[in-house]
Amino acid sequence: QSVLTQPPSASGTPGQRVTISCSGSSSNIGSNYVYWYQQLPGTAPKLLIYRNNQRPSGVPDRFSGSKSGTSASLAISGLRSEDEADYYCAAWDDSLSGPVVFGGGTKLTVL
Amino acid sequence: EVQLVESGGGLVQPGRSLRLSCAASGFTFDDYAMHWVRQAPGKGLEWVSGISWNSGSIGYADSVKGRFTISRDNAKNSLYLQMNSLRAEDTALYYCAKDMRQLVSGAFDIWGQGTMVTVSS
Repeated sequence: QSVLTQPPSASGTPGQRVTISCSGSSSNIGSNYVYWYQQLPGTAPKLLIYRNNQRPSGVPDRFSGSKSGTSASLAISGLRSEDEADYYCAAWDDSLSGPVVFGGGTKLTVL
Repeated sequence: EVQLVESGGGLVQPGRSLRLSCAASGFTFDDYAMHWVRQAPGKGLEWVSGISWNSGSIGYADSVKGRFTISRDNAKNSLYLQMNSLRAEDTALYYCAKDMRQLVSGAFDIWGQGTMVTVSS
């Protein structure tokens, strides 16, 4: 059972806009930054979003992040086949759960 | 080229120990915090441990606290994870990851390819 809650799956067709949610609590998302990672099949994770809504250089602006209260979302616009991957949210946690906690991951399928 | 290369994984019996290493190159290693993140087969990501740039701040997940020890040698551009009293549930691919900051945050911008640890009799 992950500290941050994500839907196990999401899907969309090419060109669509999809969102992936991440729900937490006051000790993590509610008081700290949220990060998003993309893991393509068979590869290491890649940082997509940091500090709630900032994109590292090289990440397309099709990817955007937002946060409200104890929840966060990752939006992917103009969906492409190469976006098919697992997506994880993460946040610092002020409780005894440990400094950094991940969501359980969302498998995005491009139909 | 910015790179992290893990080593030291393998098959180990329950209760035994293993030491993982991560060699960093292509960036100023002692300017950043470093982490270990693991992924059990077919499962999600789990943060294991993190260490600040000067080893002054260290954190562990509850699941490994008291059994695992993280350390770094800035002179050798290397990160380590000493794993003792290994359990079957520690079986996972262990990633080394670079933080974007000097202090531990959740922003891991560079990842290695991982080293597999299998705990089984």
